[in-house]
Amino acid sequence: DTAVSQTPKYLVTQMGNDKSIKCEQNLGHDTMYWYKQDSKKFLKIMFSYNNKELIINETVPNRFSPKSPDKAHLNLHINSLELGDSAVYFCASSQGSGPGEQYFGPGTRLTVT
Amino acid sequence: GQNIDQPTEMTATEGAIVQINCTYQTSGFNGLFWYQQHAGEAPTFLSYNVLDGLEEKGRFSSFLSRSKGYSYLLLKELQMKDSASYLCAVRSSGGGADGLTFGKGTHLIIQP
Repeated sequence: DTAVSQTPKYLVTQMGNDKSIKCEQNLGHDTMYWYKQDSKKFLKIMFSYNNKELIINETVPNRFSPKSPDKAHLNLHINSLELGDSAVYFCASSQGSGPGEQYFGPGTRLTVT
Repeated sequence: GQNIDQPTEMTATEGAIVQINCTYQTSGFNGLFWYQQHAGEAPTFLSYNVLDGLEEKGRFSSFLSRSKGYSYLLLKELQMKDSASYLCAVRSSGGGADGLTFGKGTHLIIQP
């Protein structure tokens, strides 16, 4: 029944590793997003993906890459993890028509040691 | 550039009213959103304004003045469960493909 789901909820890994976070939405929305929330609780957009159009926030390192196998999924792959990547990552989705409010997943807390 | 300002923290009393202000300077404007975020949880949608004026939704209301780059969220009949962070966010472009630019959030503390 969960509208936007993410796995895993917690991820602890070492520097230099590669990891993926999965996101799925069952709302039938046409746009999905990844946000990063740092230790100061500041929420920043990383990517948005709509009908195979990817919009990237220019501040995001190219070690981060979103992958969308279909409209309901947008996974986040991170290469060569760094300490500064530790944060909570939120997936979200919205419908392009109307107000387009975004629905957020529960978040993935990533800790890089 | 994008700049969204809101107070870092506010304190209010249970049963009272509180107004959380937000000012923004963005390169485009296509709507302003308010989200609530409890500690350790995901943000949840509260309100949306795209035209000037007041939008009321139960105990919560949101106001927008586009000419002033200003919005506020008004919470009435405060309850302890309203203790949370309140995030002001602006959508800059004309389509849904762009994400939201968030302010740093206002941590609201409700006292008995």
